[in-house]
Amino acid sequence: GAVVSQHPSRVICKSGTSVKIECRSLDFQATTMFWYRQFPKQSLMLMATSNEGSKATYEQGVEKDKFLINHASLTLSTLTVTSAHPEDSSFYICSASRGLADTEAFFGQGTRLTVV
Amino acid sequence: KNQVEQSPQSLIILEGKNCTLQCNYTVSPFSNLRWYKQDTGRGPVSLTIMTFSENTKSNGRYTATLDADTKQSSLHITASQLSDSASYICVVSGWTAGNKLTFGGGTRVLVKP
Repeated sequence: GAVVSQHPSRVICKSGTSVKIECRSLDFQATTMFWYRQFPKQSLMLMATSNEGSKATYEQGVEKDKFLINHASLTLSTLTVTSAHPEDSSFYICSASRGLADTEAFFGQGTRLTVV
Repeated sequence: KNQVEQSPQSLIILEGKNCTLQCNYTVSPFSNLRWYKQDTGRGPVSLTIMTFSENTKSNGRYTATLDADTKQSSLHITASQLSDSASYICVVSGWTAGNKLTFGGGTRVLVKP
């Protein structure tokens, strides 16, 4: 089956610093990757959609200057939380899809970000 | 507005018992419906994916049903095990630009010995 690896699984950072989260598709080429945020006891909220080689499409209300997304290759997308603040603490999850239509999307393990 | 509603929000069952989770959706036009299992602190793992023409799909002790006419789906867990304790998320994909997924709020299942 398709495997999506997310790294790191946990990160604690100081307020004001930036944190980079990686999402890799290990055994397939991911044309499209999605980044989600999940608060405790809530479902996943889509933050942005990224296609390889092009700029990410952000959902309404998501600050693109704060959440920088790069999808430089067909197997790697990164999410950088810039100038992190405690309210950015959350569970971030990526998913990857082979095609433009996410009929089959595979999720990473998630990254727990804590900003202190 | 595309929506996916799940019920119940949470439930507690005894090990070995069966349970059924419900999912109603308003996503249109419909492409497919998936059920995911999400353990605490982990990413969702796919259990089943069903298209318009499929009524039932099984994955081990998990059986999903789909009624595309009434826009309802259910996930049945047979002979529950402690490892079934997790959140179960119903996700619907529609044939819209970007084919985004619409997530239900999830049902938190706790299996007790």
